Amino acid sequence: DIQMTQSPSSLSASVGDRVTITCQASQDISNYLNWYQQKPGKAPKLLIYDASNLETGVPSRFSGSGSGTDFTFTISSLQPEDIATYYCQQYDNLPMYTFGQGTKLEIK
Amino acid sequence: QLQLQESGPGLVKPSETLSLTCTVSGGSISSSSYYWGWIRQPPGKGLEWIGSIYYSGSTYYNPSLKSRVTISVDTSKNQFSLKLSSVTAADTAVYYCARRRYNSAPRVAFDIWGQGTMVTVSS
Repeated sequence: DIQMTQSPSSLSASVGDRVTITCQASQDISNYLNWYQQKPGKAPKLLIYDASNLETGVPSRFSGSGSGTDFTFTISSLQPEDIATYYCQQYDNLPMYTFGQGTKLEIK
Repeated sequence: QLQLQESGPGLVKPSETLSLTCTVSGGSISSSSYYWGWIRQPPGKGLEWIGSIYYSGSTYYNPSLKSRVTISVDTSKNQFSLKLSSVTAADTAVYYCARRRYNSAPRVAFDIWGQGTMVTVSS
């Protein structure tokens, strides 16, 4: 099984800050890595697919990078509406999928 | 615009079978480009993929749940369903249905989700 390890598990930042979350895979997953945003009481929303591609309609302050085992998710300038939990998800071994444990982002 | 809606009992007794249905509207479940999946989230915890189904009926399950899970599809009703047997309190969670786009890499992702339904396992 491919394990996904996200860090940090929680993060507090100020509006306007640059925020970075990392996700590490237990083996090489190429760029088969997606990022989701989940606001409280809501379903997850796809933000980034294939490590670095912005889903249609997602603000450009969100970005992703990486390949192989190490991936990064960045918010260039944190906005109040970005308060959420963020999850990475791999799909290298289709049709199985694994999510990271999540990173809870709060406003300082 | 495609929408997914989960339905089913919000309370299930221990050892019984949890049954949920996801109704797809605004599009066809029989599209060859998509799989349909169930994902759950225990209170305060992360996301766990349960299983997926193709419109043809091909199924794929999380190995950790495989012995208790059955996912089926009814193309005439544009619905797919989840059955989880022998439930315990550990199965208490919000259950989401979702569309997984594309049959193979790249761009595979769960791109459309239902709102989720809370299922509590308790006597």
